[in-house]
Amino acid sequence: GAVVSQHPSRVICKSGTSVKIECRSLDFQATTMFWYRQFPKQSLMLMATSNEGSKATYEQGVEKDKFLINHASLTLSTLTVTSAHPEDSSFYICSARTSQGVLALHFGNGTRLTVT
Amino acid sequence: KQEVTQIPAALSVPEGENLVLNCSFTDSAIYNLQWFRQDPGKGLTSLLLIQSSQREQTSGRLNASLDKSSGRSTLYIAASQPGDSATYLCAAPSEGQAGTALIFGKGTTLSVSS
Repeated sequence: GAVVSQHPSRVICKSGTSVKIECRSLDFQATTMFWYRQFPKQSLMLMATSNEGSKATYEQGVEKDKFLINHASLTLSTLTVTSAHPEDSSFYICSARTSQGVLALHFGNGTRLTVT
Repeated sequence: KQEVTQIPAALSVPEGENLVLNCSFTDSAIYNLQWFRQDPGKGLTSLLLIQSSQREQTSGRLNASLDKSSGRSTLYIAASQPGDSATYLCAAPSEGQAGTALIFGKGTTLSVSS
């Protein structure tokens, strides 16, 4: 149980375009999802907290107008990287919090974004 | 604000050795602590989750301990194998509340040679 599906696993886009990444909790409802970013040889850095039905909370230094987060349902959160630039190339990972039982976070397999 | 530190940053051992990875955290009011494994270019694999009321958790050759009072956790790997080569990440909740975002350490990259 507690499976988080993230799609796509890999995407290459041209500079200036937008890319949408989906994060789904397959067998549980997730009122809260988290988005992380990982640069090469670095650890995971929290970007934002996404709450179903409300605006996301962004960490300091993360541009909310560039990284649009939508959490329209209890099983889906999306991250849209707008007007992507090469410096946005990174590994993006989402996680979802279960609301019952052991309150652990479960992670998607990540999306490798390359902006050319 | 929670900070997580892991030492060493990298570790190389011959196959069969037992080893210990260290993790420290600044805010001891944690609900639980998790250890993850990450292979190059891949996502995270959850290894062990220790609740604040527990002192240790075991899964196969892995044993994780938690000492909240000192803000430390260790991951013990017994009889290491080349397949254990990966980066091991320790993560603690950002706040004392259950299920808040996890703050990650920078990881320990383990290399086990055959």
